[in-house]
Amino acid sequence: EEQLVESGGGLVQPGGSLRLSCAASGLSFSSYWMNWIRQAPGKGLEWVANINEEGSEKKYVDSVKGRFTISRDNAKNSVTLQMNSLRADDTAVYYCGTDKVRGGTVDIWGKGTTVIVSA
Amino acid sequence: DIVMTQTPLSSPVTLGQPASISCRSSQSLVHSDGNIYLTWLQQRPGQPPRLLIYKNSNRFSGVPDRFSGSGAGTDFTLKITRVEAEDVGVYYCMQAAQFPPTFGQGTKLEIK
Repeated sequence: EEQLVESGGGLVQPGGSLRLSCAASGLSFSSYWMNWIRQAPGKGLEWVANINEEGSEKKYVDSVKGRFTISRDNAKNSVTLQMNSLRADDTAVYYCGTDKVRGGTVDIWGKGTTVIVSA
Repeated sequence: DIVMTQTPLSSPVTLGQPASISCRSSQSLVHSDGNIYLTWLQQRPGQPPRLLIYKNSNRFSGVPDRFSGSGAGTDFTLKITRVEAEDVGVYYCMQAAQFPPTFGQGTKLEIK
């Protein structure tokens, strides 16, 4: 079964850091772009960042540029989101997802990990 | 950034009746490669999103054929031929024709 499992969420103070991980199983991980998408409490979806198959191309939404870093380890079938200088508006459920169908979409989603930024 | 606007924001539907959700983009979603990168997602209560339709009209594996997507340029529609109880949730359109990918606000489908 193709599966993505996020971890690393938690409660952090404003200005703090957190490292999210997403472990993939049952799919050819190194063949696909990986994405992070977030959803603030009671709100809609916001794309955060993605990384290409080799890890050589990384893109970010403006609101996290310079604060978040996406990386991947194809040997470990995992993608990471390092989040620094966290703000209250970063509070959200963070999902990782992939685009196996290469349709500019997210076809496999993890269940998400919750990040709460609060003093 | 491309702005995605969904209507309606809430849609009460009778079981067995059709439903339709519209999504309008602020710019054309026709990519230079000729593809229309418009996605429809379903999010059931307490669940992560689930892919229904990608590249405008392609139904994802395992998605019932009562779901269909269509549209062109800047106007897109998700149709459900006969709503079932399991269809309750929030539906999002998403574009990836232009960076960054952006989502509509979501349409809540509920049963009357």
